[in-house]
Amino acid sequence: EDQVTQSPEALRLQEGESSSLNCSYTVSGLRGLFWYRQDPGKGPEFLFTLYSAGEEKEKERLKATLTKKESFLHITAPKPEDSATYLCAVQARQGGSEKLVFGKGTKLTVNP
Amino acid sequence: KAGVTQTPRYLIKTRGQQVTLSCSPISGHRSVSWYQQTPGQGLQFLFEYFSETQRNKGNFPGRFSGRQFSNSRSEMNVSTLELGDSALYLCASSFRSGGPDEQFFGPGTRLTVL
Repeated sequence: EDQVTQSPEALRLQEGESSSLNCSYTVSGLRGLFWYRQDPGKGPEFLFTLYSAGEEKEKERLKATLTKKESFLHITAPKPEDSATYLCAVQARQGGSEKLVFGKGTKLTVNP
Repeated sequence: KAGVTQTPRYLIKTRGQQVTLSCSPISGHRSVSWYQQTPGQGLQFLFEYFSETQRNKGNFPGRFSGRQFSNSRSEMNVSTLELGDSALYLCASSFRSGGPDEQFFGPGTRLTVL
């Protein structure tokens, strides 16, 4: 069965302290891996799509990378406004249906 | 460009009742997907509609149903509500069906079942 596991569940950083979030996945035939950011009380906000191993994408302080078994979201010199839950999802085909399978997220807190 | 809108934002119902939630996608998007988000299970896919047809379905009981109108607006219905149906219900729109297209989410409807 297709699965997405994110680690750590929660991460506390000091402002400026760089780190990485991990998303490991098991899917038959990856068609796309997505990163979203979710703030409390809001819907997820799209960040990146990665399609194949070796691909990298950047946006401001965030950089997403992809290997055959996992993806990393690197956060460089984070600021308090980067505090949010980061969700990873893979496009999967299950039981004849296409769907996004989400991990449970990493809650990031950046202290000033 | 206006984002995905969902109404109502909050609902309180009692067990056994039914509820209908509404979602208006981004203009030009024809695919609408629905998700249930709970602290224990995270985000789980319910179903997807494209051009008024259900294209994809998750593993939820038949009490959960939906439909899509010709203007791409979608509704989700939950009948015979159970306590475990308390959750944030999110809809997301995309241009194409079945991915891998980025989906854009609405703010959600917070449903509480008492």
